Amino acid sequence: EAQVTQNPRYLITVTGKKLTVTCSQNMNHEYMSWYRQDPGLGLRQIYYSMNVEVTDKGDVPEGYKVSRKEKRNFPLILESPSPNQTSLYFCASSPRTWATKNIQYFGAGTRLSVL
Amino acid sequence: SQQGEEDPQALSIQEGENATMNCSYKTSINNLQWYRQNSGRGLVHLILIRSNEREKHSGRLRVTLDTSKKSSSLLITASRAADTASYFCATKANAGGTSYGKLTFGQGTILTVHP
Repeated sequence: EAQVTQNPRYLITVTGKKLTVTCSQNMNHEYMSWYRQDPGLGLRQIYYSMNVEVTDKGDVPEGYKVSRKEKRNFPLILESPSPNQTSLYFCASSPRTWATKNIQYFGAGTRLSVL
Repeated sequence: SQQGEEDPQALSIQEGENATMNCSYKTSINNLQWYRQNSGRGLVHLILIRSNEREKHSGRLRVTLDTSKKSSSLLITASRAADTASYFCATKANAGGTSYGKLTFGQGTILTVHP
């Protein structure tokens, strides 16, 4: 089944404790992206990647890191989480970056609480 | 920054009625997409309309695009309780520069359909 898989689905952690949220897609998509969703703010893009070893900042990259060593994986790293990073996070992938069609396929989400 | 702005923020209707949601955006776009999100779940793509199209249909969905007004509307006809969800518009800017491949989401409209 074609899908984007995020892990973990729920995570409670403490300030300053490094964590990684994994994202994997099995659709051979070039484009992958991370978003955070907060009440009243909609979805905001954190980082995106147009292919292996190609990543770039989105609208709210501060406090996050990403890597794209393999096409299928795009982990989101919080080196020193803070309470303002408590949010619902989504990974998404897309088959094209330059064609008119840029439909994104979303994972189920990771709900993160930083205490 | 969020480009898409949905209106209304919340909509409550009875089953069988039509639901109309609007989206406005600010910059030139390549295409505009509508996504649906069930509570706390990942977004699911509904329909894409290109900048040179004015109307598109998919089942009970009808999307219009007015590039002169920088606005789009999503109409769900004969709504069902199962249509209860949040609906987001997302715009893809014209290719080039740092907006390459990026989707910008609005804040969403919460639709509640009462049985």
